[in-house]
Amino acid sequence: EAQVTQNPRYLITVTGKKLTVTCSQNMNHEYMSWYRQDPGLGLRQIYYSMNVEVTDKGDVPEGYKVSRKEKRNFPLILESPSPNQTSLYFCASSSSRWTTGSGANVLTFGAGSRLTVL
Amino acid sequence: AQSVTQLDSHVSVSEGTPVLLRCNYSSSYSPSLFWYVQHPNKGLQLLLKYTSAATLVKGINGFEAEFKKSETSFHLTKPSAHMSDAAEYFCVVSDRGHYMRFGAGTRLTVKP
Repeated sequence: EAQVTQNPRYLITVTGKKLTVTCSQNMNHEYMSWYRQDPGLGLRQIYYSMNVEVTDKGDVPEGYKVSRKEKRNFPLILESPSPNQTSLYFCASSSSRWTTGSGANVLTFGAGSRLTVL
Repeated sequence: AQSVTQLDSHVSVSEGTPVLLRCNYSSSYSPSLFWYVQHPNKGLQLLLKYTSAATLVKGINGFEAEFKKSETSFHLTKPSAHMSDAAEYFCVVSDRGHYMRFGAGTRLTVKP
Protein backbone atom coordinates (compact mmCIF):
# COMPACT_ATOMS: atom_id res chain seq x y z
CA GLU A 1 0.00 0.00 0.00
CA ALA A 2 1.29 3.44 -0.98
CA GLN A 3 1.75 5.46 2.17
CA VAL A 4 3.68 7.93 4.24
CA THR A 5 4.62 6.59 7.66
CA GLN A 6 5.43 8.82 10.61
CA ASN A 7 6.77 7.81 14.00
CA PRO A 8 6.10 8.32 16.79
CA ARG A 9 2.40 9.10 16.50
CA TYR A 10 2.31 10.54 20.01
CA LEU A 11 5.13 11.87 22.14
CA ILE A 12 5.38 13.78 25.39
CA THR A 13 8.82 15.16 26.14
CA VAL A 14 10.51 17.84 28.20
CA THR A 15 12.14 21.10 27.22
CA GLY A 16 15.62 20.65 25.79
CA LYS A 17 15.55 16.91 25.19
CA LYS A 18 16.47 16.27 21.56
CA LEU A 19 13.98 14.29 19.56
CA THR A 20 13.51 13.05 16.02
CA VAL A 21 10.25 12.39 14.21
CA THR A 22 10.78 9.97 11.37
CA CYS A 23 9.01 10.06 8.02
CA SER A 24 9.22 7.40 5.36
CA GLN A 25 7.41 7.02 2.03
CA ASN A 26 7.26 3.98 -0.26
CA MET A 27 6.20 5.74 -3.47
CA ASN A 28 9.63 6.79 -4.76
CA HIS A 29 8.58 10.43 -4.41
CA GLU A 30 11.14 13.18 -4.98
CA TYR A 31 9.35 15.90 -3.02
CA MET A 32 8.83 15.69 0.75
CA SER A 33 7.70 18.28 3.24
CA TRP A 34 6.98 18.83 6.93
CA TYR A 35 4.06 20.86 8.29
CA ARG A 36 2.81 21.78 11.69
CA GLN A 37 -0.87 22.23 12.44
CA ASP A 38 -2.05 24.59 15.14
CA PRO A 39 -5.64 25.59 15.93
CA GLY A 40 -6.84 28.50 13.82
CA LEU A 41 -3.65 28.58 11.75
CA GLY A 42 -4.12 25.69 9.36
CA LEU A 43 -0.95 23.91 8.28
CA ARG A 44 2.30 25.79 8.02
CA GLN A 45 5.31 24.49 6.16
CA ILE A 46 8.46 23.90 8.22
CA TYR A 47 10.94 22.47 5.71
CA TYR A 48 10.77 20.81 2.34
CA SER A 49 13.05 18.71 0.16
CA MET A 50 13.06 18.58 -3.62
CA ASN A 51 15.25 15.47 -3.71
CA VAL A 52 18.10 13.72 -1.92
CA GLU A 53 20.49 16.20 -0.27
CA VAL A 54 18.28 19.14 -1.37
CA THR A 55 16.39 20.80 1.48
CA ASP A 56 15.11 24.31 2.15
CA LYS A 57 13.19 26.33 4.71
CA GLY A 58 9.47 26.79 4.68
CA ASP A 59 7.50 29.41 6.60
CA VAL A 60 8.37 28.36 10.16
CA PRO A 61 11.79 26.65 10.22
CA GLU A 62 13.08 28.08 13.52
CA GLY A 63 13.94 25.37 16.03
CA TYR A 64 13.86 22.54 13.49
CA LYS A 65 16.36 20.67 11.34
CA VAL A 66 15.91 18.14 8.58
CA SER A 67 18.04 15.88 6.45
CA ARG A 68 17.45 13.91 3.26
CA LYS A 69 20.14 11.30 2.91
CA GLU A 70 17.87 8.76 1.25
CA LYS A 71 14.99 9.34 -1.08
CA ARG A 72 12.43 7.57 1.08
CA ASN A 73 13.26 9.19 4.45
CA PHE A 74 12.90 12.76 5.66
CA PRO A 75 13.32 13.02 9.44
CA LEU A 76 12.41 16.13 11.41
CA ILE A 77 14.82 16.95 14.23
CA LEU A 78 14.10 19.13 17.23
CA GLU A 79 17.53 19.77 18.76
CA SER A 80 16.23 21.54 21.86
CA PRO A 81 12.44 21.40 21.98
CA SER A 82 10.49 24.17 23.63
CA PRO A 83 6.82 24.35 24.69
CA ASN A 84 5.92 26.49 21.66
CA GLN A 85 6.76 23.48 19.49
CA THR A 86 3.85 21.57 21.00
CA SER A 87 1.82 20.83 17.90
CA LEU A 88 0.51 18.26 15.46
CA TYR A 89 3.09 17.48 12.79
CA PHE A 90 2.48 16.11 9.32
CA CYS A 91 4.90 14.75 6.78
CA ALA A 92 3.84 14.70 3.13
CA SER A 93 5.29 13.66 -0.20
CA SER A 94 4.59 13.90 -3.93
CA SER A 95 6.21 12.72 -7.13
CA SER A 96 7.54 16.20 -7.88
CA ARG A 97 6.72 19.73 -6.88
CA TRP A 98 5.16 20.88 -10.13
CA THR A 99 4.25 19.30 -13.46
CA THR A 100 3.76 21.47 -16.53
CA GLY A 101 0.15 21.20 -17.60
CA SER A 102 -0.99 19.66 -14.34
CA GLY A 103 0.28 22.24 -11.89
CA ALA A 104 1.14 21.41 -8.33
CA ASN A 105 1.13 17.72 -7.60
CA VAL A 106 -1.10 16.18 -4.99
CA LEU A 107 0.50 15.57 -1.61
CA THR A 108 0.13 12.28 0.23
CA PHE A 109 0.08 12.90 3.97
CA GLY A 110 1.15 10.81 6.89
CA ALA A 111 -1.25 10.21 9.78
CA GLY A 112 0.37 12.88 11.93
CA SER A 113 2.56 13.02 15.04
CA ARG A 114 1.21 14.77 18.09
CA LEU A 115 4.05 16.26 20.09
CA THR A 116 3.79 17.78 23.55
CA VAL A 117 6.76 19.60 25.05
CA LEU A 118 6.51 20.26 28.80
CA ALA B 1 2.85 36.21 -2.87
CA GLN B 2 0.11 33.67 -2.53
CA SER B 3 -2.44 33.62 0.26
CA VAL B 4 -5.70 31.91 1.06
CA THR B 5 -8.61 32.92 3.27
CA GLN B 6 -11.33 30.60 4.43
CA LEU B 7 -14.19 32.88 5.25
CA ASP B 8 -15.85 30.73 7.91
CA SER B 9 -14.09 29.00 10.76
CA HIS B 10 -17.17 26.93 11.53
CA VAL B 11 -20.17 25.91 9.44
CA SER B 12 -23.13 23.99 10.81
CA VAL B 13 -25.75 22.35 8.57
CA SER B 14 -28.51 19.82 8.96
CA GLU B 15 -28.22 16.43 7.35
CA GLY B 16 -29.64 16.50 3.83
CA THR B 17 -29.16 20.26 3.34
CA PRO B 18 -26.55 21.89 1.06
CA VAL B 19 -23.02 22.61 2.15
CA LEU B 20 -21.07 25.73 1.19
CA LEU B 21 -17.51 26.28 2.41
CA ARG B 22 -16.00 29.51 1.17
CA CYS B 23 -12.42 30.14 0.09
CA ASN B 24 -10.77 33.21 -1.42
CA TYR B 25 -7.21 33.24 -2.66
CA SER B 26 -4.57 35.49 -4.09
CA SER B 27 -1.72 34.45 -6.33
CA SER B 28 0.68 36.14 -8.69
CA TYR B 29 0.52 33.27 -11.15
CA SER B 30 -2.05 30.81 -12.41
CA PRO B 31 -2.41 28.76 -9.28
CA SER B 32 -3.28 25.21 -8.47
CA LEU B 33 -6.06 25.03 -5.91
CA PHE B 34 -7.00 22.15 -3.67
CA TRP B 35 -9.49 21.16 -1.03
CA TYR B 36 -8.38 18.67 1.59
CA VAL B 37 -10.49 17.08 4.33
CA GLN B 38 -9.33 16.01 7.77
CA HIS B 39 -11.54 13.74 9.80
CA PRO B 40 -10.99 13.66 13.57
CA ASN B 41 -7.64 12.14 14.52
CA LYS B 42 -6.83 11.41 10.89
CA GLY B 43 -4.42 12.73 8.27
CA LEU B 44 -5.45 14.89 5.34
CA GLN B 45 -7.20 13.45 2.33
CA LEU B 46 -7.54 15.13 -1.05
CA LEU B 47 -11.10 16.08 -2.00
CA LEU B 48 -10.40 17.76 -5.31
CA LYS B 49 -7.87 19.75 -7.31
CA TYR B 50 -8.12 22.61 -9.83
CA THR B 51 -5.43 23.14 -12.46
CA SER B 52 -7.13 25.29 -15.13
CA ALA B 53 -8.54 22.44 -17.23
CA ALA B 54 -12.13 23.18 -16.15
CA THR B 55 -13.58 25.76 -13.79
CA LEU B 56 -16.00 23.31 -12.16
CA VAL B 57 -14.13 20.54 -10.45
CA LYS B 58 -15.77 17.39 -9.15
CA GLY B 59 -14.25 15.58 -6.22
CA ILE B 60 -14.91 12.58 -4.07
CA ASN B 61 -18.01 11.98 -1.94
CA GLY B 62 -20.19 14.30 -4.00
CA PHE B 63 -18.19 17.47 -3.38
CA GLU B 64 -17.40 19.98 -6.09
CA ALA B 65 -15.77 23.38 -6.31
CA GLU B 66 -15.97 26.20 -8.81
CA PHE B 67 -12.98 28.34 -9.73
CA LYS B 68 -14.00 31.97 -10.30
CA LYS B 69 -11.02 34.01 -11.39
CA SER B 70 -12.88 37.33 -11.37
CA GLU B 71 -13.84 36.78 -7.73
CA THR B 72 -10.61 34.95 -6.79
CA SER B 73 -12.75 32.33 -5.15
CA PHE B 74 -12.78 28.55 -4.97
CA HIS B 75 -15.83 27.64 -2.89
CA LEU B 76 -16.59 24.03 -1.99
CA THR B 77 -20.16 22.76 -2.26
CA LYS B 78 -22.19 19.61 -1.80
CA PRO B 79 -25.92 19.35 -2.56
CA SER B 80 -26.83 17.22 0.45
CA ALA B 81 -24.82 16.85 3.63
CA HIS B 82 -24.24 13.50 5.26
CA MET B 83 -23.26 12.86 8.86
CA SER B 84 -19.96 11.42 7.65
CA ASP B 85 -19.06 14.81 6.13
CA ALA B 86 -18.42 16.25 9.58
CA ALA B 87 -14.71 17.14 9.49
CA GLU B 88 -12.26 20.00 9.04
CA TYR B 89 -11.77 21.26 5.51
CA PHE B 90 -8.72 23.09 4.18
CA CYS B 91 -8.44 25.20 1.06
CA VAL B 92 -4.91 25.22 -0.38
CA VAL B 93 -3.30 27.43 -3.03
CA SER B 94 -0.04 26.72 -4.79
CA ASP B 95 1.84 28.45 -7.56
CA ARG B 96 5.19 27.64 -9.08
CA GLY B 97 6.96 28.51 -5.87
CA HIS B 98 7.83 25.96 -3.27
CA TYR B 99 5.02 26.72 -0.91
CA MET B 100 1.56 25.36 -0.58
CA ARG B 101 -0.46 27.83 1.44
CA PHE B 102 -3.13 26.32 3.63
CA GLY B 103 -6.17 28.21 4.82
CA ALA B 104 -6.95 28.23 8.53
CA GLY B 105 -9.59 25.57 8.05
CA THR B 106 -13.38 25.34 8.30
CA ARG B 107 -14.93 22.93 10.73
CA LEU B 108 -18.12 21.43 9.34
CA THR B 109 -20.72 20.17 11.77
CA VAL B 110 -23.66 18.12 10.49
CA LYS B 111 -26.73 17.93 12.69
CA PRO B 112 -29.14 14.98 12.52
